[in-house]
Amino acid sequence: AQTVTQSQPEMSVQEAETVTLSCTYDTSENNYYLFWYKQPPSRQMILVIRQEAYKQQNATENRFSVNFQKAAKSFSLKISDSQLGDTAMYFCAFMVIQGAQKLVFGQGTRLTINP
Amino acid sequence: NAGVTQTPKFRILKIGQSMTLQCTQDMNHNYMYWYRQDPGMGLKLIYYSVGAGITDKGEVPNGYNVSRSTTEDFPLRLELAAPSQTSVYFCASSYLGPRGTEAFFGQGTRLTVV
Repeated sequence: AQTVTQSQPEMSVQEAETVTLSCTYDTSENNYYLFWYKQPPSRQMILVIRQEAYKQQNATENRFSVNFQKAAKSFSLKISDSQLGDTAMYFCAFMVIQGAQKLVFGQGTRLTINP
Repeated sequence: NAGVTQTPKFRILKIGQSMTLQCTQDMNHNYMYWYRQDPGMGLKLIYYSVGAGITDKGEVPNGYNVSRSTTEDFPLRLELAAPSQTSVYFCASSYLGPRGTEAFFGQGTRLTVV
């Protein structure tokens, strides 16, 4: 069974600082995707960034980047120059891209950006 | 650009009542999912479908049923509602194509069982 673990229930940083959210996962599969989703108070699920397991290069999207360590099964999210609008729950998620293609979520990290 | 549409957005049920949460997507995605999110927690998979006519249980299926008669629709049925089913429910769909994969979510249904 695939599992995703986020070990930081809450984090808080000052505006403009850099923050890193941690995520580890467990799988015996080789072909999968990893995602970070943002959930603001509106409860909308918004895709922040995704990483294909077979790509060694870390994905980046503007101020958001990941550190993907496949051997360690680690997938952290770095937010640079944090903004007040980044305040949200962040979920790490995992999907094996064959068969059922189930999307499995971690418990989430509540991130607060302080002015 | 409707994407994934869930109805209703809010609902209060009495213990023992039944209801159906509707979910439809207009992106022709094969994969569809139902999740529940309890306060301060992550999303737990209830049921999923890999295509019309095919459904399977997820992590927390007890007390729920689904059907998938068309590619577009994936309703979730609650029979004999219990307070433990108070939660926010999300429907999602995904694809797998040349550009990879991504899941799209509805806006959620907040259900309270009293």
